Amino acid sequence: NAGVTQTPKFQVLKTGQSMTLQCAQDMNHEYMSWYRQDPGMGLRLIHYSVGAGITDQGEVPNGYNVSRSTTEDFPLRLLSAAPSQTSVYFCASSYSVAERDTGELFFGEGSRLTVL
Amino acid sequence: DQQVKQNSPSLSVQEGRISILNCDYTNSMFDYFLWYKKYPAEGPTFLISISSIKDKNEDGRFTVFLNKSAKHLSLHIVPSQPGDSAVYFCAASDSNYQLIWGAGTKLIIKP
Repeated sequence: NAGVTQTPKFQVLKTGQSMTLQCAQDMNHEYMSWYRQDPGMGLRLIHYSVGAGITDQGEVPNGYNVSRSTTEDFPLRLLSAAPSQTSVYFCASSYSVAERDTGELFFGEGSRLTVL
Repeated sequence: DQQVKQNSPSLSVQEGRISILNCDYTNSMFDYFLWYKKYPAEGPTFLISISSIKDKNEDGRFTVFLNKSAKHLSLHIVPSQPGDSAVYFCAASDSNYQLIWGAGTKLIIKP
């Protein structure tokens, strides 16, 4: 049972570099999302998708891009990394939009990103 | 301004006793509330939820209480076990169907 798989688990970047955090789920979930977790704060939604070809912005989308070309994959791209993007990133999915509405999400293990 | 607040960053409880984790919210339009549990180096996992039309929901050792007039919910764990040591997040679903999360409470169960 792979569930939600995120890669890489750890990454160090220099300011201005770009990179992609990968997220894949094998549960045929419609809804996928990216969160960031910072110390002393709750998880904050970056971007989400309700199905292949459909993406939308969350609470903190600036500096990030996403795409959803397949049901399984939902990569998060940092275009030009900044120290403020140092955080732990979580990918999450749910079976349907209805379940997303009730918030029962399945999370990956997280990706810790440090921007110097 | 945080719409969902967990005012206790940490809580220490003796094994076998009751653990009570608290969460306050400010948005009266929230209509669904959830608790997630997170172990180190893992993603959060869903624990229990409650709709705003209810005031209590039970699942085994876990009970969530909702007081809408006070905009307060709590998670009770009885009895507390060592495996319950984790960070607990409360979250609320708003009218845009997005989850708003609290900052978490670290629960430590002492043997």
